[in-house]
Amino acid sequence: QQQVKQSPQSLIVQKGGISIINCAYENTAFDYFPWYQQFPGKGPALLIAIRPDVSEKKEGRFTISFNKSAKQFSLHIMDSQPGDSATYFCAASINTGNQFYFGTGTSLTVIP
Amino acid sequence: ETGVTQSPTHLIKTRGQQVTLRCSSQSGHNTVSWYQQALGQGPQFIFQYYREEENGRGNFPPRFSGLQFPNYSSELNVNALELDDSALYLCASSLRDVYDYGYTFGSGTRLTVV
Repeated sequence: QQQVKQSPQSLIVQKGGISIINCAYENTAFDYFPWYQQFPGKGPALLIAIRPDVSEKKEGRFTISFNKSAKQFSLHIMDSQPGDSATYFCAASINTGNQFYFGTGTSLTVIP
Repeated sequence: ETGVTQSPTHLIKTRGQQVTLRCSSQSGHNTVSWYQQALGQGPQFIFQYYREEENGRGNFPPRFSGLQFPNYSSELNVNALELDDSALYLCASSLRDVYDYGYTFGSGTRLTVV
């Protein structure tokens, strides 16, 4: 049973465009929602994270939008660059966060 | 030296064998978690250690076991290897309150069981 559902599986965006990746969850006890970026041969690296008491968080070109009532959150990458080409994972955790539930990942390709 | 270091980077084992994977946590981190990432999938939580005690376990059988040492380095042991154990094994270290700083993942150990 997939606790966090992620879409799309793959995404191709032109340089300068906006990349949008969506995630949905069912467990209302989740209270921490990070996004991780993974390059081939590397472990995931924390990109940005949000807690459910805010609806949006922005760090540079990366923005998380959070809709608590719909149990959905999304990552927006503005002005996408070829260097952003990677696999992106959303995740969720409860309370102390000793277990993260990851989505299945989105492979992003940014075309020059 | 910062960052999480895992060894070995690649490993090939035969079904039924045992394997030990090692992880050196980022300096200052007292919590280590292990994840299994199958090809094309997101990481799946195996277990977490805090102050040398297991602090949570995912849906993995007892043949997956671990240790955390006083210097916060860690081992993942898998007995009676099965073909489905072939995956990337990720070690992630963190402070006890992971919310503020998140996990720091290592680059993983690619295990192939034949």
